[in-house]
Amino acid sequence: DTAVSQTPKYLVTQMGNDKSIKCEQNLGHDTMYWYKQDSKKFLKIMFSYNNKELIINETVPNRFSPKSPDKAHLNLHINSLELGDSAVYFCASSQDPTGSTDTQYFGPGTRLTVL
Amino acid sequence: DQQVKQNSPSLSVQEGRISILNCDYTNSMFDYFLWYKKYPAEGPTFLISISSIKDKNEDGRFTVFLNKSAKHLSLHIVPSQPGDSAVYFCAASEGRGGTSYGKLTFGQGTILTVHP
Repeated sequence: DTAVSQTPKYLVTQMGNDKSIKCEQNLGHDTMYWYKQDSKKFLKIMFSYNNKELIINETVPNRFSPKSPDKAHLNLHINSLELGDSAVYFCASSQDPTGSTDTQYFGPGTRLTVL
Repeated sequence: DQQVKQNSPSLSVQEGRISILNCDYTNSMFDYFLWYKKYPAEGPTFLISISSIKDKNEDGRFTVFLNKSAKHLSLHIVPSQPGDSAVYFCAASEGRGGTSYGKLTFGQGTILTVHP
């Protein structure tokens, strides 16, 4: 059983298109996250949601809109894709980010290529 | 402004020897530190963590050491095995009471290669 899953694993699209990446976790966690790993391999947080409520938005362009239909799902919709959006996007989840020893568990990643 | 730094992009070690991966941080609000291991085309996998109230945490072949005064932590792998070859990321969070609500700040990773 995959704990944190993402679809699709690979996504190739043209500039200007709109695309979505889906994430699901079966760990029963309350909080989910989106991270972006850029071409320099840095992993940086984009958003976090707790029980469907947006908690962190790290100055991500508003072309990126996360949506959480329930606490087990956090989808990422990207409008008007740009070349610079090409990256690997990772979803993660954790139980209690206010806890002193909270651990995040990551999905396998979605490699987005914008042509 | 990189608050978590892994200054060695790569490390090569012989099987059976010790691997030592290093990580430095600048934010004094960080109080929980994690190491993740990542294979190509997979997501980061949690390896081991340490809270700032400790200076050492051990789990099998993996030990993490924390030096708060130097704002430095290290991951020791003994003995190293070829299957340990991967990218290792250091990460930090502000933990309880922090305003970052679970935000992990990652280093840029160190590629570990263990030769048979």
